[in-house]
Amino acid sequence: GAGVSQSPRYKVAKRGQDVALRCDPISGHVSLFWYQQALGQGPEFLTYFQNEAQLDKSGLPSDRFFAERPEGSVSTLKIQRTQQEDSAVYLCASSLLRTGYEQYFGPGTRLTVT
Amino acid sequence: KQEVTQIPAALSVPEGENLVLNCSFTDSAIYNLQWFRQDPGKGLTSLLLIQSSQREQTSGRLNASLDKSSGRSTLYIAASQPGDSATYLCAVSKAAGNKLTFGGGTRVLVKP
Repeated sequence: GAGVSQSPRYKVAKRGQDVALRCDPISGHVSLFWYQQALGQGPEFLTYFQNEAQLDKSGLPSDRFFAERPEGSVSTLKIQRTQQEDSAVYLCASSLLRTGYEQYFGPGTRLTVT
Repeated sequence: KQEVTQIPAALSVPEGENLVLNCSFTDSAIYNLQWFRQDPGKGLTSLLLIQSSQREQTSGRLNASLDKSSGRSTLYIAASQPGDSATYLCAVSKAAGNKLTFGGGTRVLVKP
């Protein structure tokens, strides 16, 4: 498929474990965003990459959250020492740097911390 | 700080009725506004994108208007169908290629 893909789709972690969530953007999309969506709420911005450069990480809730995009395509969001409040759906979106800058979203990863 | 509000939070209508979904934002200095659809357990599907210089966008039964100065957008869905049942989210961007700020969504149920 030509859309944004994310893996795993579902992840259950015990409190204190580290998790890694993967995002494959649409080929050729320069911009990549991570959002966090709590149950029943709208998504909230976490961090933004333009190619491999992380230009905005103002939304990361704590230093336990880390994101990277080393080659400017695939991105990984890592959460260390997970807490129950980290339970949410993590959405990835990508866009071109032109034509309206429309963002295209992946299906998300649902993280449950027990 | 930009805040986006969607009212009502939930809406139930009989099939065939027109849907009117509202979105308001506090800072009118936006670059664009996007409307999304989200089905349970799924990601977001982009429905319409309106640039700040535009007043409306149309796609099939969907029409979105934008009144930037008053900080409002409305999504109209004509002749609703049960398949339109989903959560609808609006989001604004402050600058080109910038992050989106989302509203809380309106959960729509269209009854057959």
